[in-house]
Amino acid sequence: QVQLQQWGAGLLKPSETLSLTCAVYGGSFSGYYWSWIRQPPGKGLEWIGEVTHTGSTNYNPSLESRVTVSVDTSKRQFSLNLRSVTAADTALYYCARSYTNWGQGTLVTVSS
Amino acid sequence: QTVVTQEPSLTVSPGGTVTLTCASSTGAVTSGHYTNWFQQKPGQAPRSLIYSTSNKHSWTPARFSGSLLGGKAALTLSGVQPEDEAEYYCQLYYDGVLRVFGGGTKLTVL
Repeated sequence: QVQLQQWGAGLLKPSETLSLTCAVYGGSFSGYYWSWIRQPPGKGLEWIGEVTHTGSTNYNPSLESRVTVSVDTSKRQFSLNLRSVTAADTALYYCARSYTNWGQGTLVTVSS
Repeated sequence: QTVVTQEPSLTVSPGGTVTLTCASSTGAVTSGHYTNWFQQKPGQAPRSLIYSTSNKHSWTPARFSGSLLGGKAALTLSGVQPEDEAEYYCQLYYDGVLRVFGGGTKLTVL
């Protein structure tokens, strides 16, 4: 049974960096896409990006200039950094394993 | 910019059949888009129902099926249950580097 547990700061000021981490319990760490997805309040899902266990990444072109997704296989964790946040980045952020297993979500609010 | 389009809302009667579709702005959806379908209920994380167009997870109810239909990806629910009322999202995979979610379909069981 794979479980993903995520954490990170829930309240940020504009221009700060959003940092979230997702820990993986159970299952293999290799051969999967470790991804981040977000959902603004009352809106749909938006793909942010993904990383493989080898560190290969893919990003949403609309966020690529501000986002980094990384993996630490020794800790069985992967992380999201989103720089220079604005109110438009306010959303529920999810981590996922190959879009099959999902974390519980972290609400991140950007407000001055 | 690549856009994936779903019906904003659909209504179905209990026991009925409904098909949700997922279209790509780039052209026909094929097996190479490895379509995923997700169900999301209020206050919950999305749950994967179908992966790679038509594959089910062990937890996917048999009444859900995925396919390609007329250049679109499709999710068909046969024998709809009240608990199927939810938001449904598709996700397409482009050229091995880009994933795009559709805007979601709100399914009402009435």
